[in-house]
Amino acid sequence: GQQLNQSPQSMFIQEGEDVSMNCTSSSIFNTWLWYKQDPGEGPVLLIALYKAGELTSNGRLTAQFGITRKDSFLNISASIPSDVGIYFCAGLTTSGTYKYIFGTGTRLKVLA
Amino acid sequence: NAGVTQTPKFQVLKTGQSMTLQCAQDMNHNSMYWYRQDPGMGLRLIYYSASEGTTDKGEVPNGYNVSRLNKREFSLRLESAAPSQTSVYFCATARWGQDNYGYTFGSGTRLTVV
Repeated sequence: GQQLNQSPQSMFIQEGEDVSMNCTSSSIFNTWLWYKQDPGEGPVLLIALYKAGELTSNGRLTAQFGITRKDSFLNISASIPSDVGIYFCAGLTTSGTYKYIFGTGTRLKVLA
Repeated sequence: NAGVTQTPKFQVLKTGQSMTLQCAQDMNHNSMYWYRQDPGMGLRLIYYSASEGTTDKGEVPNGYNVSRLNKREFSLRLESAAPSQTSVYFCATARWGQDNYGYTFGSGTRLTVV
């Protein structure tokens, strides 16, 4: 099945550092979503993007909808220990299939 | 306001046993989904129901069946469990419209087949 290419797969960072991750696809999307999954829980929506070039923030998180509509980026500034978890991107193609396509996730570990 | 409720939270089955995973939502969403999550594999869609009365296969439907009982409930059945079905199962719901707000996920069912 189709999945988005998400990178990096995992990363260890020091508390206070900034984090960047991205998702790319060969298909054009009209919606990009970013989720965070805490250990033992289901994913929770962080940010939703609806227009090419859109830049949206949620606290220390900032996400962008790539202008080609084939990629998206998530940045976390000044990371803290509770940022640990798995971050997923998800995209909706223009074909209106009522299904989001998910990336394979970026596992983030923050060292205090 | 519970959102999306999955039961049970944990289950251990012997190979060949059957069981049904339950999902109920109080969000009045039309669409419901079953995903499985395996290490390094992300979220893979098993089955979904775009609206009450319809169900469709996802990318990994083999070994599973589903029932959309009503607008609120969507169950996933394993008729003869296999060790390869050891996974974490997530139910999700969605409302579709001018702005798509993505899925709302349940907290998961952790299934081990021995």
